[in-house]
Amino acid sequence: DADVTQTPRNRITKTGKRIMLECSQTKGHDRMYWYRQDPGLGLRLIYYSFDVKDINKGEISDGYSVSRQAQAKFSLSLESAIPNQTALYFCATSDPDSPPYGYTFGSGTRLTVV
Amino acid sequence: EDKVVQSPLSLVVHEGDTVTLNCSYEVTNFRSLLWYKQEKKAPTFLFMLTSSGIEKKSGRLSSILDKKELFSILNITATQTGDSAIYLCAAGLQMNRDDKIIFGKGTRLHILP
Repeated sequence: DADVTQTPRNRITKTGKRIMLECSQTKGHDRMYWYRQDPGLGLRLIYYSFDVKDINKGEISDGYSVSRQAQAKFSLSLESAIPNQTALYFCATSDPDSPPYGYTFGSGTRLTVV
Repeated sequence: EDKVVQSPLSLVVHEGDTVTLNCSYEVTNFRSLLWYKQEKKAPTFLFMLTSSGIEKKSGRLSSILDKKELFSILNITATQTGDSAIYLCAAGLQMNRDDKIIFGKGTRLHILP
């Protein structure tokens, strides 16, 4: 089983619909992140959480919300999807005190908003 | 504003060539420099560098950090078609308990057979 699991892997949704992307991890890390990746723009941070009670906005949080249901689960919601939210979304975890020190990424969710 | 700049953005070489990918950074509270390889989906960790001048190696890949000049390079020798990927550089920051990573836009490397 993957250390960081994202569901769904692919999703097509209509403008205005609410959609939730889910992430679960088995690494026991406290820190979890949501990124989006767009061609030519790299990875941009949407939200991050350092523990269940600690949620922080990233650089592009508008139009998104998150929920940290447990240490292992971190969900990203698009309340009313719009086409420019079409992107590849990654969840990641980190533990700065344990190898490999960087982030462990999920396999990504490719979201298309039509 | 914290930023990480990678160059070139795109590179095409022939199998067997050696390539050098560049990463410069301007960030506050620098902690580490990270390199990732992204093939079809999720980025996978390659290296983390925290000290200047100490080369890290993994097979044909190596990387080094210069904290004075604020840059890092990733070298790949004897390239193979399987090295084709996007290579991401990221700067890890730490401000109190706030631990974040800032990514560059990546270098898309394509190896021709």
